[in-house]
Amino acid sequence: EAGVVQSPRYKIIEKKQPVAFWCNPISGHNTLYWYRQNLGQGPELLIRYENEEAVDDSQLPKDRFSAERLKGVDSTLKIQPAKLGDSAVYLCASSSTGASNYGYTFGSGTRLTVV
Amino acid sequence: KNQVEQSPQSLIILEGKNCTLQCNYTVSPFSNLRWYKQDTGRGPVSLTIMTFSENTKSNGRYTATLDADTKQSSLHITASQLSDSASYICVVSVSEAGNNRKLIWGLGTSLAVNP
Repeated sequence: EAGVVQSPRYKIIEKKQPVAFWCNPISGHNTLYWYRQNLGQGPELLIRYENEEAVDDSQLPKDRFSAERLKGVDSTLKIQPAKLGDSAVYLCASSSTGASNYGYTFGSGTRLTVV
Repeated sequence: KNQVEQSPQSLIILEGKNCTLQCNYTVSPFSNLRWYKQDTGRGPVSLTIMTFSENTKSNGRYTATLDADTKQSSLHITASQLSDSASYICVVSVSEAGNNRKLIWGLGTSLAVNP
């Protein structure tokens, strides 16, 4: 099993430029999460999908961030325009929906540096 | 307020020694508690997951304990190796309506294992 795959691993962009991250969850996992993690802090949830539906996007800065999960599988997270404060690691995670499931699996993340 | 606190904030030990990391939480309603290991620049990797009824769970040299009465958990690392150097994060899952869960993250303990 490949696990949660994210790309790119690293991205350096100038401020005001757009950037996009891609995530391929574990096969069969209905739930997909995007987190942002700043250095020395725990991840903070940006958005959660159940299949194609974004069920929790309350923490997503919607003026510049957008996400989509077409067909309920892969997902992309976009920032436009990027700001210096957006520099962080963006983590994608997936899990199966259901009372018996407790496992979240994280990808390796995309480290974004905005200069 | 749902909160997860970890101690110590950082720890340095010699290779081959044992260590114990602590996690206290004030979370309700409790679903489960997880310990993650996160290497710098990588996504978190699950070490153990424990539900309310579990007191201890092992994963190789990692042993986690849970006292649901005092709302405390510990992660014990035996015979430490250089590769154990990482951040260890305690995460408590909160049950929400609709079979959903929310993760409450601790800030982690940064462990350095020196030769």
